[in-house]
Amino acid sequence: QSVLTQPPSVSGAPGQRVTLSCAGSSSNIGPGYDVHWYQQLPGTAPKLLIYDTTNRPSGVPDRFSGSRSGTSASLAISGLQGEDEADYYCQSYDPTLVAWVFGGGTKLTV
Amino acid sequence: QVQLQESGPGLVKPSQTLSLTCTVSGGSISSGSYYWNWIRQPAGKGLEWIGRISVNGNINYNPSLKSRVAISQDPSKNQFSLKLSSVTAADTAVYYCARNYYNSGSYGDWGQGTLVTVSS
Repeated sequence: QSVLTQPPSVSGAPGQRVTLSCAGSSSNIGPGYDVHWYQQLPGTAPKLLIYDTTNRPSGVPDRFSGSRSGTSASLAISGLQGEDEADYYCQSYDPTLVAWVFGGGTKLTV
Repeated sequence: QVQLQESGPGLVKPSQTLSLTCTVSGGSISSGSYYWNWIRQPAGKGLEWIGRISVNGNINYNPSLKSRVAISQDPSKNQFSLKLSSVTAADTAVYYCARNYYNSGSYGDWGQGTLVTVSS
């Protein structure tokens, strides 16, 4: 069972906007530890999409955006495209565990 | 553009030690303030951070694996390594090496991953 909780699956139609959630706790996301998001296509390594909760690395389209509210974080994807179909993982730090932790992942179907 | 490449045996017997090496190209593991990490992913499951090492030798391990893990580095070969002892079938996974993204806790550069199966 993952420390960060993500819905197993989310779906959306091309062109739509979807939001993927990542529920943490008062130990990790709540106190303000940064949240990071990754996209993983089948058979490949994860790719960094959002770092430090809201920032995009160069080359990541602005269709992807991150936010935090309380003990949860969200990844929003607008203008859904078929190439967005992938697994998405959130990550943060938990000082009570003294470890960087991941969510269980959300499979996005377009 | 830095590149990372994992290497090591794809099959390890139960109770033995898993040993992997990550070779870095396009940049030196001795420069900058990066941390070099090991992360694993069992088939069909999520990601698990194993541990990390910095250029000045600071090492952090996931407490859930700490008693069995050792991470080291060889700057002369631009490599860092993972040893996981007393393995069981639960350690079967794709193992990735990764570099932190600048001063962030995120991972910006990843190896392609290597599958390690624990089986007799």
